[in-house]
Amino acid sequence: DSGVTQTPKHLITATGQRVTLRCSPRSGDLSVYWYQQSLDQGLQFLIQYYNGEERAKGNILERFSAQQFPDLHSELNLSSLELGDSALYFCASSASIRGDTEAFFGQGTRLTVV
Amino acid sequence: GQQLNQSPQSMFIQEGEDVSMNCTSSSIFNTWLWYKQDPGEGPVLLIALYKAGELTSNGRLTAQFGITRKDSFLNISASIPSDVGIYFCAGPFQSGSARQLTFGSGTQLTVLP
Repeated sequence: DSGVTQTPKHLITATGQRVTLRCSPRSGDLSVYWYQQSLDQGLQFLIQYYNGEERAKGNILERFSAQQFPDLHSELNLSSLELGDSALYFCASSASIRGDTEAFFGQGTRLTVV
Repeated sequence: GQQLNQSPQSMFIQEGEDVSMNCTSSSIFNTWLWYKQDPGEGPVLLIALYKAGELTSNGRLTAQFGITRKDSFLNISASIPSDVGIYFCAGPFQSGSARQLTFGSGTQLTVLP
């Protein structure tokens, strides 16, 4: 158990809809990272938050947004969903502000868009 | 552009055999991380390397940070069935104003009884 909690574990929704994925980092970790894993793209970095502030952005679509709350949990919002958004979405956390150090992953949310 | 190449893409080995996989980067790294992902689970950190030439072990796993700082190797000795999974290397690439972990495409390991 990494200590990172993600909910829900599975999500099935229709095209055009909006969903919210939730992540609770390990106790004491201030950084939260979101990754997308699809069959053809591997693990892709989306965005990092550190102590409530956006720290770095990767290849995150404009239809996607995230935030980190004062209690340090984070949410990833995906809107106007398309079939191609079906993937595993992982949250990871670390104690460091840096994005290139050890990060601990949750079990992921499997999103299926139909 | 920035590239992280991991090989082999997949491996089928007999239980008890040793395994070796590697990653190469188009850029010099100051960190190499190795993760394992079981089906339906998130990646789990196996070994972290922070110094060129560093050799670090975690049980039957040994990883090395290449002296060129552009490559890393992971070896698994005396493989067992629970070694099955996808192994990823990861290293820092520049993402905008910050450096972020970028993952290799993974090595799918199958251990045959």
